[in-house]
Amino acid sequence: ETGVTQTPRHLVMGMTNKKSLKCEQHLGHNAMYWYKQSAKKPLELMFVYSLEERVENNSVPSRFSPECPNSSHLFLHLHTLQPEDSALYLCASSQVEGPEQYFGPGTRLTVT
Amino acid sequence: GQQLNQSPQSMFIQEGEDVSMNCTSSSIFNTWLWYKQDPGEGPVLLIALYKAGELTSNGRLTAQFGITRKDSFLNISASIPSDVGIYFCAGQLYSGSRLTFGEGTQLTVNP
Repeated sequence: ETGVTQTPRHLVMGMTNKKSLKCEQHLGHNAMYWYKQSAKKPLELMFVYSLEERVENNSVPSRFSPECPNSSHLFLHLHTLQPEDSALYLCASSQVEGPEQYFGPGTRLTVT
Repeated sequence: GQQLNQSPQSMFIQEGEDVSMNCTSSSIFNTWLWYKQDPGEGPVLLIALYKAGELTSNGRLTAQFGITRKDSFLNISASIPSDVGIYFCAGQLYSGSRLTFGEGTQLTVNP
Protein backbone atom coordinates (compact mmCIF):
# COMPACT_ATOMS: atom_id res chain seq x y z
CA GLU A 1 0.00 0.00 0.00
CA THR A 2 1.16 3.50 -0.72
CA GLY A 3 -0.01 6.96 0.28
CA VAL A 4 -3.01 7.32 2.53
CA THR A 5 -5.65 4.59 2.69
CA GLN A 6 -9.10 4.72 4.25
CA THR A 7 -11.60 2.01 5.08
CA PRO A 8 -14.41 1.48 4.54
CA ARG A 9 -14.95 3.47 1.34
CA HIS A 10 -18.71 3.50 1.86
CA LEU A 11 -20.73 3.18 5.05
CA VAL A 12 -24.45 3.28 5.70
CA MET A 13 -25.47 3.38 9.33
CA GLY A 14 -28.54 3.99 11.40
CA MET A 15 -28.68 6.69 14.00
CA THR A 16 -28.28 4.21 16.84
CA ASN A 17 -25.29 2.34 15.39
CA LYS A 18 -21.66 2.55 16.42
CA LYS A 19 -19.02 2.33 13.72
CA SER A 20 -15.40 3.34 13.17
CA LEU A 21 -13.55 4.79 10.22
CA LYS A 22 -9.92 3.84 9.74
CA CYS A 23 -7.06 5.72 8.12
CA GLU A 24 -3.50 4.57 7.54
CA GLN A 25 -0.64 6.56 6.06
CA HIS A 26 2.48 5.03 4.51
CA LEU A 27 4.33 8.31 3.95
CA GLY A 28 6.33 8.55 7.17
CA HIS A 29 4.37 11.64 8.23
CA ASN A 30 3.88 12.70 11.84
CA ALA A 31 0.62 14.67 11.65
CA MET A 32 -2.84 13.36 10.72
CA TYR A 33 -6.16 15.07 10.13
CA TRP A 34 -9.87 14.34 9.82
CA TYR A 35 -11.94 16.53 7.50
CA LYS A 36 -15.65 16.55 6.69
CA GLN A 37 -16.66 17.37 3.11
CA SER A 38 -20.28 18.26 2.47
CA ALA A 39 -21.73 19.32 -0.86
CA LYS A 40 -21.19 22.97 -1.81
CA LYS A 41 -19.08 23.68 1.28
CA PRO A 42 -15.35 24.07 1.83
CA LEU A 43 -13.52 21.28 3.59
CA GLU A 44 -14.16 21.42 7.35
CA LEU A 45 -11.26 20.50 9.60
CA MET A 46 -12.46 18.28 12.45
CA PHE A 47 -9.41 16.98 14.30
CA VAL A 48 -5.64 17.29 14.14
CA TYR A 49 -3.09 14.95 15.67
CA SER A 50 0.53 16.04 15.79
CA LEU A 51 3.12 13.51 16.99
CA GLU A 52 0.19 11.35 18.17
CA GLU A 53 -1.25 14.07 20.39
CA ARG A 54 -4.56 15.75 19.64
CA VAL A 55 -3.77 19.40 19.08
CA GLU A 56 -7.01 20.66 17.65
CA ASN A 57 -10.70 19.87 17.96
CA ASN A 58 -12.80 22.32 16.02
CA SER A 59 -15.99 22.25 18.10
CA VAL A 60 -16.91 18.84 16.78
CA PRO A 61 -19.88 17.14 18.48
CA SER A 62 -18.96 14.42 20.95
CA ARG A 63 -20.67 11.79 18.80
CA PHE A 64 -17.41 11.91 16.80
CA SER A 65 -14.45 10.54 18.76
CA PRO A 66 -10.96 10.35 17.23
CA GLU A 67 -8.16 8.01 18.19
CA CYS A 68 -4.53 8.03 17.08
CA PRO A 69 -2.71 4.96 18.45
CA ASN A 70 0.50 5.71 16.52
CA SER A 71 1.76 8.08 13.83
CA SER A 72 0.57 5.83 11.00
CA HIS A 73 -2.99 5.14 12.10
CA LEU A 74 -6.02 7.30 12.77
CA PHE A 75 -9.55 6.29 13.67
CA LEU A 76 -12.84 8.15 13.87
CA HIS A 77 -15.35 6.45 16.13
CA LEU A 78 -18.98 7.26 15.38
CA HIS A 79 -22.04 6.82 17.59
CA THR A 80 -25.62 8.08 17.60
CA LEU A 81 -25.06 10.14 14.46
CA GLN A 82 -27.62 12.41 12.84
CA PRO A 83 -28.70 12.47 9.17
CA GLU A 84 -26.89 15.80 8.71
CA ASP A 85 -23.65 13.98 9.50
CA SER A 86 -23.89 12.27 6.11
CA ALA A 87 -20.84 13.43 4.14
CA LEU A 88 -17.48 12.39 2.74
CA TYR A 89 -14.97 12.00 5.57
CA LEU A 90 -11.41 12.56 4.48
CA CYS A 91 -8.22 11.68 6.28
CA ALA A 92 -4.97 13.49 5.49
CA SER A 93 -1.39 13.38 6.68
CA SER A 94 1.60 15.69 6.56
CA GLN A 95 4.89 16.46 8.21
CA VAL A 96 4.29 18.63 11.26
CA GLU A 97 6.48 21.38 9.85
CA GLY A 98 5.20 21.26 6.27
CA PRO A 99 1.99 22.62 4.70
CA GLU A 100 1.51 19.88 2.11
CA GLN A 101 -1.26 17.54 3.19
CA TYR A 102 -1.89 14.25 1.41
CA PHE A 103 -5.43 12.92 1.41
CA GLY A 104 -6.94 9.49 1.44
CA PRO A 105 -9.82 8.52 -0.88
CA GLY A 106 -12.41 9.21 1.81
CA THR A 107 -15.30 7.32 3.38
CA ARG A 108 -18.74 8.19 2.02
CA LEU A 109 -20.98 8.05 5.09
CA THR A 110 -24.76 7.94 4.90
CA VAL A 111 -26.77 8.14 8.12
CA THR A 112 -30.33 6.87 7.82
CA GLY B 1 -12.09 32.61 10.36
CA GLN B 2 -10.14 32.99 7.15
CA GLN B 3 -11.96 32.70 3.87
CA LEU B 4 -10.77 31.98 0.38
CA ASN B 5 -12.87 33.06 -2.59
CA GLN B 6 -12.39 30.77 -5.51
CA SER B 7 -13.68 31.57 -8.99
CA PRO B 8 -15.28 30.63 -11.15
CA GLN B 9 -17.47 28.15 -9.27
CA SER B 10 -17.85 26.07 -12.40
CA MET B 11 -16.53 25.99 -15.96
CA PHE B 12 -17.70 24.17 -19.06
CA ILE B 13 -15.09 24.06 -21.81
CA GLN B 14 -14.25 22.21 -24.99
CA GLU B 15 -11.36 19.78 -25.15
CA GLY B 16 -8.20 21.57 -26.21
CA GLU B 17 -9.10 24.91 -24.63
CA ASP B 18 -6.99 26.57 -21.96
CA VAL B 19 -8.45 27.12 -18.48
CA SER B 20 -7.79 29.77 -15.83
CA MET B 21 -9.06 29.90 -12.29
CA ASN B 22 -8.09 31.90 -9.24
CA CYS B 23 -8.28 32.15 -5.52
CA THR B 24 -8.35 35.39 -3.52
CA SER B 25 -8.26 36.32 0.13
CA SER B 26 -8.36 39.41 2.29
CA SER B 27 -5.42 37.98 4.26
CA ILE B 28 -1.80 37.50 3.30
CA PHE B 29 -0.82 33.85 2.92
CA ASN B 30 2.59 32.27 3.35
CA THR B 31 1.92 29.24 1.16
CA TRP B 32 -0.59 28.36 -1.56
CA LEU B 33 -1.54 24.85 -2.60
CA TRP B 34 -3.67 23.59 -5.47
CA TYR B 35 -5.52 20.26 -5.33
CA LYS B 36 -7.69 18.30 -7.76
CA GLN B 37 -10.50 16.00 -6.63
CA ASP B 38 -11.94 13.37 -8.93
CA PRO B 39 -15.48 12.11 -8.26
CA GLY B 40 -15.53 9.66 -5.35
CA GLU B 41 -11.89 10.28 -4.46
CA GLY B 42 -9.87 12.46 -2.12
CA PRO B 43 -8.08 15.65 -3.20
CA VAL B 44 -4.69 15.14 -4.86
CA LEU B 45 -1.96 17.73 -4.43
CA LEU B 46 -1.02 19.27 -7.78
CA ILE B 47 1.25 22.22 -7.02
CA ALA B 48 2.66 23.96 -3.94
CA LEU B 49 3.84 27.60 -3.98
CA TYR B 50 6.03 29.12 -1.28
CA LYS B 51 7.13 32.56 -2.46
CA ALA B 52 5.35 35.66 -3.76
CA GLY B 53 5.62 35.83 -7.54
CA GLU B 54 6.59 32.17 -7.83
CA LEU B 55 5.46 30.44 -11.02
CA THR B 56 5.48 26.63 -10.94
CA SER B 57 4.48 24.09 -13.56
CA ASN B 58 3.39 20.47 -13.37
CA GLY B 59 2.90 19.18 -16.91
CA ARG B 60 0.09 21.20 -18.51
CA LEU B 61 -0.67 22.90 -15.20
CA THR B 62 0.90 26.20 -14.14
CA ALA B 63 0.22 27.97 -10.87
CA GLN B 64 1.33 31.36 -9.64
CA PHE B 65 1.67 32.86 -6.18
CA GLY B 66 0.32 36.41 -6.48
CA ILE B 67 2.66 39.32 -5.79
CA THR B 68 0.32 40.71 -3.11
CA ARG B 69 0.34 37.27 -1.41
CA LYS B 70 -3.45 37.51 -1.28
CA ASP B 71 -4.15 35.50 -4.40
CA SER B 72 -3.09 32.57 -6.53
CA PHE B 73 -3.88 31.41 -10.05
CA LEU B 74 -4.04 28.03 -11.76
CA ASN B 75 -3.89 27.57 -15.52
CA ILE B 76 -4.45 24.38 -17.46
CA SER B 77 -3.34 24.34 -21.07
CA ALA B 78 -4.82 22.21 -23.86
CA SER B 79 -7.46 20.58 -21.63
CA ILE B 80 -8.33 16.92 -22.01
CA PRO B 81 -11.33 14.93 -20.73
CA SER B 82 -9.41 13.57 -17.72
CA ASP B 83 -8.98 17.14 -16.44
CA VAL B 84 -12.60 16.93 -15.29
CA GLY B 85 -12.95 17.34 -11.54
CA ILE B 86 -13.03 19.89 -8.76
CA TYR B 87 -9.97 22.09 -8.28
CA PHE B 88 -9.36 23.45 -4.79
CA CYS B 89 -6.99 26.11 -3.62
CA ALA B 90 -5.67 26.09 -0.08
CA GLY B 91 -3.66 28.67 1.78
CA GLN B 92 -1.51 28.63 4.88
CA LEU B 93 -1.19 31.88 6.83
CA TYR B 94 2.13 31.03 8.51
CA SER B 95 4.26 27.98 9.10
CA GLY B 96 2.40 25.43 11.21
CA SER B 97 -1.02 27.07 10.87
CA ARG B 98 -3.96 25.12 9.51
CA LEU B 99 -4.86 25.15 5.84
CA THR B 100 -7.82 27.22 4.67
CA PHE B 101 -9.60 25.75 1.64
CA GLY B 102 -11.57 27.42 -1.11
CA GLU B 103 -14.96 26.08 -2.18
CA GLY B 104 -13.59 24.65 -5.40
CA THR B 105 -13.99 25.15 -9.15
CA GLN B 106 -15.92 22.38 -10.91
CA LEU B 107 -14.39 21.80 -14.35
CA THR B 108 -16.24 20.00 -17.13
CA VAL B 109 -14.46 19.24 -20.39
CA ASN B 110 -16.56 18.34 -23.41
CA PRO B 111 -14.83 16.05 -25.91
